[in-house]
Amino acid sequence: KNEVEQSPQNLTAQEGEFITINCSYSVGISALHWLQQHPGGGIVSLFMLSSGKKKHGRLIATINIQEKHSSLHITASHPRDSAVYICAVLRPGSQGNLIFGKGTKLSVKP
Amino acid sequence: NAGVTQTPKFQVLKTGQSMTLQCAQDMNHNSMYWYRQDPGMGLRLIYYSASEGTTDKGEVPNGYNVSRLNKREFSLRLESAAPSQTSVYFCASRPNIGVSNQPQHFGDGTRLSIL
Repeated sequence: KNEVEQSPQNLTAQEGEFITINCSYSVGISALHWLQQHPGGGIVSLFMLSSGKKKHGRLIATINIQEKHSSLHITASHPRDSAVYICAVLRPGSQGNLIFGKGTKLSVKP
Repeated sequence: NAGVTQTPKFQVLKTGQSMTLQCAQDMNHNSMYWYRQDPGMGLRLIYYSASEGTTDKGEVPNGYNVSRLNKREFSLRLESAAPSQTSVYFCASRPNIGVSNQPQHFGDGTRLSIL
C-alpha cells in the first residue's frame, strides 16, 4: 500500500465548479505539500502546511493531522486550473525527502 | 528569477550511451535533489545532496551517479543508459535539509528517452 494516496486519480469539472482533491497518508509527518504540474511543464509548490488551513486566491488547503488527511479545494474553477495536483509528505527526520502521491489529473472544461 | 535550471530539456539516447543531466540553482540553497517521474507513479527520489560536498542515495539510485560540483550545481549521470531509465527527470532545491517549513523548488524537467 502506498504511503500517500490521492483521490480521485482523474477529475473533470465544468468551469465555475467547486473542486476537492483528497490526500490520505499512513505515516507520521512534519509537513504536507500540495504541488501543481501543468502539462509538459515544471512543478510548482502551492502550499506547505502542518496544521489547520491555508488560502491563496481561489485555492484552499486543509489538513487534519489526527485523521491523516488533507484536502485541496479550488473555488470557481477555471480552465487554466487544469493540471496535475500532487500531494507529498515530509517525514520527521527524513532530511527533507518527500514521499509523493501519484497525483490527481484535473481537467476544467469551459 | 531563474530559480532551478535544468539542461537539456529533451534528450534521446541509445542503450549503453552515457549522459549527464545538469542542474543549477541561483537561490543559495543548501539542499538539492534528483527525482524521476514515470507514468502512473509518484515522483521517486534518486539521489540528494544535503549540502555542498555530500551526496546520499534515495529510493531508486541504481544506474545513476551524482556530483555536487559546488553549492549551485548538482549533476546526474547515467553511465550506461538502459530503456528502463526512460523517464522525466526533475531537479529540486531547498534552503536547508531537516527544516520542515521550507518548500522545494523544482526545475522544468528533462525528458529522457532511451532507445
